[in-house]
Amino acid sequence: EADIYQTPRYLVIGTGKKITLECSQTMGHDKMYWYQQDPGMELHLIHYSYGVNSTEKGDLSSESTVSRIRTEHFPLTLESARPSHTSQYLCASTAWAEPAEQYFGPGTRLTVT
Amino acid sequence: DQQVKQNSPSLSVQEGRISILNCDYTNSMFDYFLWYKKYPAEGPTFLISISSIKDKNEDGRFTVFLNKSAKHLSLHIVPSQPGDSAVYFCAASGGAQKLVFGQGTRLTINP
Repeated sequence: EADIYQTPRYLVIGTGKKITLECSQTMGHDKMYWYQQDPGMELHLIHYSYGVNSTEKGDLSSESTVSRIRTEHFPLTLESARPSHTSQYLCASTAWAEPAEQYFGPGTRLTVT
Repeated sequence: DQQVKQNSPSLSVQEGRISILNCDYTNSMFDYFLWYKKYPAEGPTFLISISSIKDKNEDGRFTVFLNKSAKHLSLHIVPSQPGDSAVYFCAASGGAQKLVFGQGTRLTINP
């Protein structure tokens, strides 16, 4: 059973606010990912990390930033939220030894008003 | 361009019958394929996977078939149960431990 946590689960915030979405995993996985998903659409990779101090942008351009100071923690930050950022944000992780199976957190549903 | 496509946005199946979900891909470099199940307000849960060196993988009620020449895979669920009602995502990997997802198919199992 995967142990990956995301907080908050739901967030409604006004335009221009700075927000940080938290993601933590207790499995010691080196690789972590952030996806963005809109209803009825595919998951889009926006950021990933292969280890501490390693971060890369994903396939979908995003105004968010990430950091990886500790193996277990991979927070995502939006400096100035806009309504276009309204979406579900999903965090995932995987171990080097496994083919490609990723374990997902429960997600954060973000609404920017 | 979308590299992984699930052309059926929704599927309705009677309880006890077989559910067949389909997925097509365009990138011949993909060598590992996965199916995920997602309930509303939850993250996707891994269901079953298949390597490109195989054409079938079975796990209980779930079987995934891969047709490399057609670049097509399918997920069979038999017998279908009400708890199987969810959105199913197909995903593919071509190395680098990155996944490309399809748009998902909403499966509804009717009693």
